[in-house]
Amino acid sequence: GAVVSQHPSWVICKSGTSVKIECRSLDFQATTMFWYRQFPKQSLMLMATSNEGSKATYEQGVEKDKFLINHASLTLSTLTVTSAHPEDSSFYICSAHIVSYEQYFGPGTRLTVT
Amino acid sequence: EDQVTQSPEALRLQEGESSSLNCSYTVSGLRGLFWYRQDPGKGPEFLFTLYSAGEEKEKERLKATLTKKESFLHITAPKPEDSATYLCAVQANQGGKLIFGQGTELSVKP
Repeated sequence: GAVVSQHPSWVICKSGTSVKIECRSLDFQATTMFWYRQFPKQSLMLMATSNEGSKATYEQGVEKDKFLINHASLTLSTLTVTSAHPEDSSFYICSAHIVSYEQYFGPGTRLTVT
Repeated sequence: EDQVTQSPEALRLQEGESSSLNCSYTVSGLRGLFWYRQDPGKGPEFLFTLYSAGEEKEKERLKATLTKKESFLHITAPKPEDSATYLCAVQANQGGKLIFGQGTELSVKP
């Protein structure tokens, strides 16, 4: 099956700093990538949809200036959490969308803001 | 409004005790219904995609079925390694984003 990687797998940062998370499709080109966040014991909540070469589309309630998404190529998308605060601590997961409409998920990144 | 509801929230089974998980959905034009397995601290692992009512798919001890209003994930003779959270998601005809249910946390005891 299709493989999606994320880096880093976990990160701890101080309040006020920025953190960048990378999402790569390893063995296929993804037309679209999605970013989700997941709080403990809750399901995945879509944050934004990212298409290569164009601006990301953010879901209602997600601050686009705080969660910067760059989709540099068909195999790489990045999420930067700017001026992180403790309430941004969460599990961030990306997924890559291939032609058959199936989405394959990365292993996730655990962000802890102290 | 597109919506997905999964039941039960949690399910405890003895090894070998077959059961079913339910996923009810309302969506303005279904492009696909997806089942994923998620282990703690990991990303969802793709299991099945179903596209039309009446469709069925199987993989080892799992079988997914689809009607116009709901999907079932049948687990036959489960083993402890089947313990995980099972997520159901729908994709509407308009756009590619997935709408997830809250998941069913399955625990299989030996």
